[in-house]
Amino acid sequence: DVKVTQSSRYLVKRTGEKVFLECVQDMDHENMFWYRQDPGLGLRLIYFSYDVKMKEKGDIPEGYSVSREKKERFSLILESASTNQTSMYLCASSFGRGTGELFFGEGSRLTVL
Amino acid sequence: AQKVTQAQTEISVVEKEDVTLDCVYETRDTTYYLFWYKQPPSGELVFLIRRNSFDEQNEISGRYSWNFQKSTSSFNFTITASQVVDSAVYFCALSEAKTSYDKVIFGPGTSLSVIP
Repeated sequence: DVKVTQSSRYLVKRTGEKVFLECVQDMDHENMFWYRQDPGLGLRLIYFSYDVKMKEKGDIPEGYSVSREKKERFSLILESASTNQTSMYLCASSFGRGTGELFFGEGSRLTVL
Repeated sequence: AQKVTQAQTEISVVEKEDVTLDCVYETRDTTYYLFWYKQPPSGELVFLIRRNSFDEQNEISGRYSWNFQKSTSSFNFTITASQVVDSAVYFCALSEAKTSYDKVIFGPGTSLSVIP
């Protein structure tokens, strides 16, 4: 079975702190994604990566950055957390053949105080 | 621009009732994929189905069925004889097929509650 693991299920941070959300997949997938999920808005794509060290902005990249140094690991970074970044963050991966089938982690719920 | 609309925010049904979740999409691409994902209370989204834009045949899988109509840009999902385990948030989604990037656009989701 494909496994996408997110490092933390729940985090509480203070405004201005630097936040790292880690995601690891074990199926040698080419593509990895970070979404945020908010009520009434569904899932919105923050960043994605189609290869090691490659990244592309999604629909809402402002305030975020990402890192993909190894194929299996994709990190989301909040350089200076703000209260409007309180959300559920979902990591996903895919084979990269254009089929669109994503495999998701369990999510990381971040609260910024 | 691509967009997915799910007009039903929340639906409640009594167990064993049939329920249809609506999905309307917008895209300028002629080749695209449509999806349904399920998010149970545990939080992990699970892929249910993919349809490509050239295949308008309806699909049935057990109690689940999907109705794809290009003429109305809709991809509706019906659960027959609903069960409590069907309670979840269901997302309709769309991706363009011309790249291998799998960039998927999700709708806002419909929260389904099945009451015993």
